[in-house]
Amino acid sequence: QVQLVQSGAEVKKPGSSVRVSCKTSGGTFSSDAISWVRQAPGQGLDWMGVMIPMFGTANYVQKFQGRITITADASSSTAYMELTGLTSEDTAVYYCARAPASIAAPDSWGQGTRVTISS
Amino acid sequence: DIHLTQSPSTLSASLGDRVSITCRASQSISTRLAWYQEKPGKAPKLLIYDAFHLQSGVPSRFSGSESGTEFTLTISSLQPEDFATYYCLQYNTYLYTFGQGTKLEIK
Repeated sequence: QVQLVQSGAEVKKPGSSVRVSCKTSGGTFSSDAISWVRQAPGQGLDWMGVMIPMFGTANYVQKFQGRITITADASSSTAYMELTGLTSEDTAVYYCARAPASIAAPDSWGQGTRVTISS
Repeated sequence: DIHLTQSPSTLSASLGDRVSITCRASQSISTRLAWYQEKPGKAPKLLIYDAFHLQSGVPSRFSGSESGTEFTLTISSLQPEDFATYYCLQYNTYLYTFGQGTKLEIK
């Protein structure tokens, strides 16, 4: 059974950065695609970017380019998402999601990490 | 970027009804489309992948179809637990996009 466990809630100041972790188990970490998705209060799902650890590179949605970095540590099967230059519009629940190579669609999700931006 | 237009944004229906939600892609995505169900406070749940493949453990009343760039999620007979928000997701390239979501409400 694949499990993704995310780090805990964060409260950040405007202009600062946040790093959310996503520890996976039960999958094939290196070949799985790990996506990051966020959902602002009362809004829909917003896909942010994806990384396949074995390839070592990440793809990001244009609107986050320059502010987002997705990384992965294969030794601990943990993915990370860092977002810089935070504003109130970044207040959201952030999810990691894993897609196995066999189906390519994310089939397992983390529990979500609430990030609140407040001065 | 590939844009998905999902409709309707809200759907009111009764128990036992057959309902459909549509997602139209701005360009060809082959069959690289998935459907998710989301309930408040919970992570999205994969229902359908590759346009019409039912994810393991998902009830057979859920089905997906495809016609060119138009994709449809159908629920054949609504059950109480089906009232939720549904999203489509395209993953044809490594720049995924979600549809805007459809809130399925009890009439």
